[in-house]
Parts: sequence; structure tokens; C-alpha cells
Amino acid sequence: EPEVTQTPSHQVTQMGQEVILRCVPISNHLYFYWYRQILGQKVEFLVSFYNNEISEKSEIFDDQFSVERPDGSNFTLKIRSTKLEDSAMYFCASSITGPETQYFGPGTRLLVL
Amino acid sequence: AQSVTQPDIHITVSEGASLELRCNYSYGATPYLFWYVQSPGQGLQLLLKYFSGDTLVQGIKGFEAEFKRSQSSFNLRKPSVHWSDAAEYFCAVGLTGGGNKLTFGTGTQLKVEL
Repeated sequence: EPEVTQTPSHQVTQMGQEVILRCVPISNHLYFYWYRQILGQKVEFLVSFYNNEISEKSEIFDDQFSVERPDGSNFTLKIRSTKLEDSAMYFCASSITGPETQYFGPGTRLLVL
Repeated sequence: AQSVTQPDIHITVSEGASLELRCNYSYGATPYLFWYVQSPGQGLQLLLKYFSGDTLVQGIKGFEAEFKRSQSSFNLRKPSVHWSDAAEYFCAVGLTGGGNKLTFGTGTQLKVEL
């Protein structure tokens, strides 16, 4: 069964450093998402991406964040200058036609020191 | 703005007992409704979803959920819980239409006593 994959599974970085989280969505999916889950809290929407542009973003997704689909398979989330509060599990998701069939990857646990 | 409420933060049941996890949503129209499960250190696995039609939906692992429009609820049930069901369960809602975000509840942590 096709699945969403994410790399790395864990990443530790120093505050102020840039990180890039990578996702490979399911191949025939058209909509891509990033969510995050701070430890002990609920899953929060960050951004959705369709047709090579951001379709919606949350107030969390400020200028420090960016997303890109650099090729036909990868979907990346970049945090330009990480803060301590960016420490969280970051989930990538993809769907064929929107939220109806949204499938999640295993997540990347980011720790900012 | 849409919101999702899971009133039970923790629930403990004995193996073999029945389970019901509550979920209420607030939204002007009927949204898409989902239940996801998250095992420790794992990602989110879709258990089941409701879009329209039959208000009782069946999912994987023996779970089912019932949509009740009058109560704005989408409670998850399982007739007989297995120890492997111990996990965190999230209810989520999505807007009708394509490419829209999911809004998650705060989750219910299920503990299963042997």
C-alpha cells in the first residue's frame, strides 16, 4: 500500500540554524500539507500546497517557514532560523482531492537546543 | 471558526470491554469527520471517515463511529477492546471542498488494562 514517507525521523539542531524537513507524498496525490504537534499538545495545521503554490496557511506559518516541491516527488518544509518553540513533531500529509483522503507520514521529530 | 472537542483526556478500560470515545464539533455545515489513531512514537493512522450517507461508518481494527447531526457528534466505538488498542485517538474535521486543512481535537489517551 502506498504511503507517505518523511526524512529524517529525528533531527537535533541549534537555535538559529536552518532545517529542511523532507516528505515524499503518495505519488498520485495532488494536495500536500504540513502539520506539527508540540509534545503533549494537539496536531496543528501549518500549511497546504496545491498546484505549486500555497493554498492556505495558519498564523503559525510565518516568514520563517517556507515550503517547496522541488521536483515531482519531494515536498519540503524549511525553517530558516529555528527557535526553541519550533521543537515538535512535524507531519507531512497528502491527499488526492483535499481533506477527504488525507494520509499522514510517520513524522519528523525536531528538537531545537 | 470550526472546532473539535474531545472531552475525555484519558480513558482506561479493561481488555474485552466496550469503548466509546466522544467527539463534538462546531461548524455551520456538516464537515468531513475523521478519527485517527497515534501509537507512541508513531504517525497518525486513519481509522475511519464520514463524508455523507450512512451515519454509521465502519473503520479498520473493528472500530466504528456514528455521526449524529442533532448532537454535532461523531463518537468512536469498539465493542471489545484489545490491549493493542492502547494509543491516542484524535478526532478531526475538514471543510467540504478540496485542499483544506484538518482541525484536530486535543486527543484522548486510551489505556487498556489486562
